[in-house]
Amino acid sequence: DTAVSQTPKYLVTQMGNDKSIKCEQNLGHDTMYWYKQDSKKFLKIMFSYNNKELIINETVPNRFSPKSPDKAHLNLHINSLELGDSAVYFCASSQEAGEGTQYFGPGTRLLVL
Amino acid sequence: AQSVTQLGSHVSVSEGALVLLRCNYSSSVPPYLFWYVQYPNQGLQLLLKYTTGATLVKGINGFEAEFKKSETSFHLTKPSAHMSDAAEYFCAVSDKADGNKLVFGAGTILRVKS
Repeated sequence: DTAVSQTPKYLVTQMGNDKSIKCEQNLGHDTMYWYKQDSKKFLKIMFSYNNKELIINETVPNRFSPKSPDKAHLNLHINSLELGDSAVYFCASSQEAGEGTQYFGPGTRLLVL
Repeated sequence: AQSVTQLGSHVSVSEGALVLLRCNYSSSVPPYLFWYVQYPNQGLQLLLKYTTGATLVKGINGFEAEFKKSETSFHLTKPSAHMSDAAEYFCAVSDKADGNKLVFGAGTILRVKS
């Protein structure tokens, strides 16, 4: 069983479209995250949810909207896609307690044309 | 604010040689420190972590790292490189007071020559 899964794995779309990326974790963790890895492989936090509540919201355009229907899922919706949104998006999860080691999904490679 | 600096964006070693990947951090609170590895076109896999206690931590695949508070460093080492170690390695620090978000270094690509 995959601990943290993301769909789709690849996403190619046109500028201006709206798309969603889904993330699910079966680890029973309380906290989930979205990270963006740009073309230079730099990783940066975007959002974090704890028990469906938003706790981290970095400086991200409001075209990006996370949604957490339950604590096992954290989806990322992107409106009006731009060329600069092309990147790999990683979902991760952790327990709130303790050192909060984060476990990452396989990534979603988004290409905006 | 926390930050991580990885010295050397590319490191090349011969198979069987010592691997040393450098990481220095900046943190206003006792840090939690992590090393992750990313193989081409894959996600991030946890190699090892330091939270509290013993400053020399051992991870998977023969890697280890030592937390040195006085040097604000958490360098990653492996005594003998294998071809399969070729990947990109990321050092990260987390701040429990800041939602446990991970702040990553820029990554070091390790190349292993036969």
